[in-house]
Amino acid sequence: EAGVAQSPRYKIIEKRQSVAFWCNPISGHATLYWYQQILGQGPKLLIQFQNNGVVDDSQLPKDRFSAERLKGVDSTLKIQPAKLEDSAVYLCASRGLAGDRHNEQFFGPGTRLTVL
Amino acid sequence: AQSVAQPEDQVNVAEGNPLTVKCTYSVSGNPYLFWYVQYPNRGLQFLLKYITGDNLVKGSYGFEAEFNKSQTSFHLKKPSALVSDSALYFCAVRDEGGNTGKLIFGQGTTLQVKP
Repeated sequence: EAGVAQSPRYKIIEKRQSVAFWCNPISGHATLYWYQQILGQGPKLLIQFQNNGVVDDSQLPKDRFSAERLKGVDSTLKIQPAKLEDSAVYLCASRGLAGDRHNEQFFGPGTRLTVL
Repeated sequence: AQSVAQPEDQVNVAEGNPLTVKCTYSVSGNPYLFWYVQYPNRGLQFLLKYITGDNLVKGSYGFEAEFNKSQTSFHLKKPSALVSDSALYFCAVRDEGGNTGKLIFGQGTTLQVKP
């Protein structure tokens, strides 16, 4: 089966600019996650969707970050305006079988964002 | 609150030797533990998980992990390391708070296998 797709793979922007990332999860996976991975750290959850509804966005900096999953499939994560500390890899993951919380998450290759 | 700790930033081992990557956890309820591996410029790949049952869990690429409740540890092991095992390894625990099932990751351990 096809894996989780993300684009772009790399993005370089200047601070105060806007940027958007796209994620296409594995077909049929109801749960979608966006993680931020800063260099030297483990991934940190930003937001979790169940179908097109937000389950957890407690760690999302809502003054500058937004995310949506309008049709319960693809998702976009936006940063506006970007700060230097947003430089990180943004990982998208999906998980199938919404009723089974122990299923593993499948990760995409990530988008490496550099803010200058 | 759930958390995991990976006490070693880097582990060095010679090819053919056994390897261990350490992980300890702190949870308020039942621990649901995972290991992922990350190769350069790639996403995380699932290796194995402990949910319940046998304390020795077998996973992908010949890796296994031993769950030890008394020591609150979930160390990753492999009997004979390969150079291709060199990568960044993450231990994670499922956060049972709020019933979202999100993962909380350790900071990662770089495994370097030398020929």
